[in-house]
Amino acid sequence: DTGVSQDPRHKITKRGQNVTFRCDPISEHNRLYWYRQTLGQGPEFLTYFQNEAQLEKSRLLSDRFSAERPKGSFSTLEIQRTEQGDSAMYLCASSSGTGPYNEQFFGPGTRLTVL
Amino acid sequence: AQSVTQLDSHVSVSEGTPVLLRCNYSSSYSPSLFWYVQHPNKGLQLLLKYTSAATLVKGINGFEAEFKKSETSFHLTKPSAHMSDAAEYFCVVSEGTGGFKTIFGAGTRLFVKA
Repeated sequence: DTGVSQDPRHKITKRGQNVTFRCDPISEHNRLYWYRQTLGQGPEFLTYFQNEAQLEKSRLLSDRFSAERPKGSFSTLEIQRTEQGDSAMYLCASSSGTGPYNEQFFGPGTRLTVL
Repeated sequence: AQSVTQLDSHVSVSEGTPVLLRCNYSSSYSPSLFWYVQHPNKGLQLLLKYTSAATLVKGINGFEAEFKKSETSFHLTKPSAHMSDAAEYFCVVSEGTGGFKTIFGAGTRLFVKA
């Protein structure tokens, strides 16, 4: 068990470009979550997967954002036509089980800077 | 609808004195409640969780929290602060009825003075 990993750790891009982040959860964890955290705030829930199914999406997740978990293992989060307001830390977490009480294990995050 | 309010954005204590970080929540259902800690440049780590068993929950590093339904509170305490406790602390509510969402509070920054 090597923990949740995210790649890249840092991404600098220009406004209007597309970016894609990857998250590798703890193996055997069936749930995977994406959050966004801006400076001085708590993480904001974006979406979550149970296995390969995307079961919940926040209204924060605009049409420019898309997430996939094609085989129920790793996940990708893509942001199209990035805006300066997208600059944030993007966190991935995973958990086992199906209830809301299971501990989520967080990755180190991908820090996105949009110039 | 769920919400979480952390009543203090910053708390400063002296080493060896008690810590109290306050959290109020609202939830339409029976929630699960958590406290996470985030040290600088490190990932979020679970301190403790409440899942409708005992109302007094013990966590790691000497922290504990008490669930008070009548007050809709879940305050985090520690009898004696250590320098290594300096970090950002997040109160979290999670519901799993129908849909599923996890809501983080805005965080409380804990400073520990020598």
